[in-house]
Amino acid sequence: QVQLQESGPGLMKPSETLTLTCTVSGDSVNNDFFYWSWIRQPPGKALEWIGYIHYDGITNYNPSLKSRVRVSIDPSKNQFSLQLLSVTAADTAAYYCARGAGAPDYFDYWGQGTVVPVSS
Amino acid sequence: DIQMTQSPVSLSASVGDRVIITCRASQNIKNYLSWYQQKPGKAPNLLIYSASTLQSGVPSRFSGSVSGTAFTLTISSLQPEDFATYYCQQSYSFFTFGGGTRVEIK
Repeated sequence: QVQLQESGPGLMKPSETLTLTCTVSGDSVNNDFFYWSWIRQPPGKALEWIGYIHYDGITNYNPSLKSRVRVSIDPSKNQFSLQLLSVTAADTAAYYCARGAGAPDYFDYWGQGTVVPVSS
Repeated sequence: DIQMTQSPVSLSASVGDRVIITCRASQNIKNYLSWYQQKPGKAPNLLIYSASTLQSGVPSRFSGSVSGTAFTLTISSLQPEDFATYYCQQSYSFFTFGGGTRVEIK
């Protein structure tokens, strides 16, 4: 069974860099068929795709966040990570990692999510 | 940017009702449309992809269809476990989610 688990800080201050890690079990991040993604959801709001990475290093980012986002992959630990620079209160959200399937077209497995408040 | 507009924003229904949720794309996205169910405090769960393909393990009371740029998610007979928020998502150009439709108990 494929499982994803996010880990990271519980609280961030404005201007800091957010780093989250997703540990994958039941699959390999080297799997050619899938793209490893980050998606977030501000409190009471809709979902927003952040970006994804493929095992060969190909990345794709939401244009609205591209200047502040980097997604990386560590096959030796079967993990992938998100860095979001210069966070503000608007970045307060539940952050999910997910497996992208298809081209990718959809997200078939998700982590449980981690809530990241940004507050001074 | 491709915008996805869901309607209604919320609806009240009873167990056994037929429920239809609509998602409209701001431009042609062919069939690059998926549907998710999300319960409070939980991650979304994939229901349908490619507009009408049922994800493995999802009950057959869920179905999806498309007509032009309008997509529908139908729940043929609402069950107690179906009360949740539903999101559509396009993948024609990057990924965009709709605003969600909350299905509540009548």
